[in-house]
Amino acid sequence: AQSVTQLDSHVSVSEGTPVLLRCNYSSSYSPSLFWYVQHPNKGLQLLLKYTSAATLVKGINGFEAEFKKSETSFHLTKPSAHMSDAAEYFCVVSDTGANNLFFGTGTRLTVIP
Amino acid sequence: SQTIHQWPATLVQPVGSPLSLECTVEGTSNPNLYWYRQAAGRGLQLLFYSVGIGQISSEVPQNLSASRPQDRQFILSSKKLLLSDSGFYLCAWSPDLLSAKNIQYFGAGTRLSVL
Repeated sequence: AQSVTQLDSHVSVSEGTPVLLRCNYSSSYSPSLFWYVQHPNKGLQLLLKYTSAATLVKGINGFEAEFKKSETSFHLTKPSAHMSDAAEYFCVVSDTGANNLFFGTGTRLTVIP
Repeated sequence: SQTIHQWPATLVQPVGSPLSLECTVEGTSNPNLYWYRQAAGRGLQLLFYSVGIGQISSEVPQNLSASRPQDRQFILSSKKLLLSDSGFYLCAWSPDLLSAKNIQYFGAGTRLSVL
């Protein structure tokens, strides 16, 4: 069975400093992993996805994530936070080719000017 | 290109009233369609998904139902709303391709307040 654990419900960083949002997953098969971002009162936007190609995945807006099978982790990072990065971020796991996505409970990122 | 429309954006309804939220997708055919609910302080919960017209799978028992009367239309309904139905409802679609089924694209959401 698949599941996702986002280790921090809230992360606060200063503008211009690095961002790290942590995610651990559990999957019985080769997983597909995603990060979605949700700005206030908006739908979800796909940031990046891992589907068994390169383990370091680059997404939009300067975000990237590294798939580490040995650690069952898929942490999201960005070298320098921008005010517009303030949002809720969801880590998601799915079996490749399956319909169902399993969402983490989300991490709210606050960026301090 | 494909787009997904969801309306209304916000809705305030009294307890016991009916509900109808609509979602349509443009620019693709035979999409897989999904309804999610996001309650305050929680992640997303899959409510229903559909792989074709008239085919609905329910993930959790609840006061809601879904219908797919046309290929690119997905409707979320309730006959009598409960306070616990309040939340943010998101519609999503994914291509009907084995290699891309789990890449879902989301609408802008409907914020439902039941008073």
